[in-house]
Amino acid sequence: AQSVTQPDIHITVSEGASLELRCNYSYGATPYLFWYVQSPGQGLQLLLKYFSGDTLVQGIKGFEAEFKRSQSSFNLRKPSVHWSDAAEYFCAVVPGYSSASKIIFGSGTRLSIRP
Amino acid sequence: EPEVTQTPSHQVTQMGQEVILRCVPISNHLYFYWYRQILGQKVEFLVSFYNNEISEKSEIFDDQFSVERPDGSNFTLKIRSTKLEDSAMYFCASSAVDTQYFGPGTRLTVL
Repeated sequence: AQSVTQPDIHITVSEGASLELRCNYSYGATPYLFWYVQSPGQGLQLLLKYFSGDTLVQGIKGFEAEFKRSQSSFNLRKPSVHWSDAAEYFCAVVPGYSSASKIIFGSGTRLSIRP
Repeated sequence: EPEVTQTPSHQVTQMGQEVILRCVPISNHLYFYWYRQILGQKVEFLVSFYNNEISEKSEIFDDQFSVERPDGSNFTLKIRSTKLEDSAMYFCASSAVDTQYFGPGTRLTVL
């Protein structure tokens, strides 16, 4: 079955430290991959997406993600976190892409920032 | 920047009552979606809608649920007879081609 795994439920990092959030997917072909962020009480904001081409993609707010086909992974990174990055981060895939395909979300990783 | 809007932000209802959640997608988008997130759980797909008909629906989307695009701008989700387990955050999303943009959500509380 198609699935998205985010193995870390909760991560705490110090402000200014680097960050990596893990995401693995299970699907036969290369899906379309996304990272969304949800701040408390807010909706889901798109951080970045990967469809094809360069496997390192840049997103908003200084985030980047790298697609690794051999590891079925799409990890999210940021070199230096800010207190405002505290939020819930969701990795997501569209497995069989057509224009109306559903998104399958991971269970999310909650990021806390230590002052 | 265009965005998806949803109303109300919070709806409280009694079990067995009908509720309608409203969404205004981004104006040039053609594909519309509803998702829900039960507290503490992952975001789950409910239904997708294109060209005035349902494209795909999940097992959650049973006969108690319906969607409609009553005019050129609104997209609604109706729950005919709410259950306690329908309490969740409901997100509307829309897309033009390949990326779904989400609204801020409606928190539905069923008492």
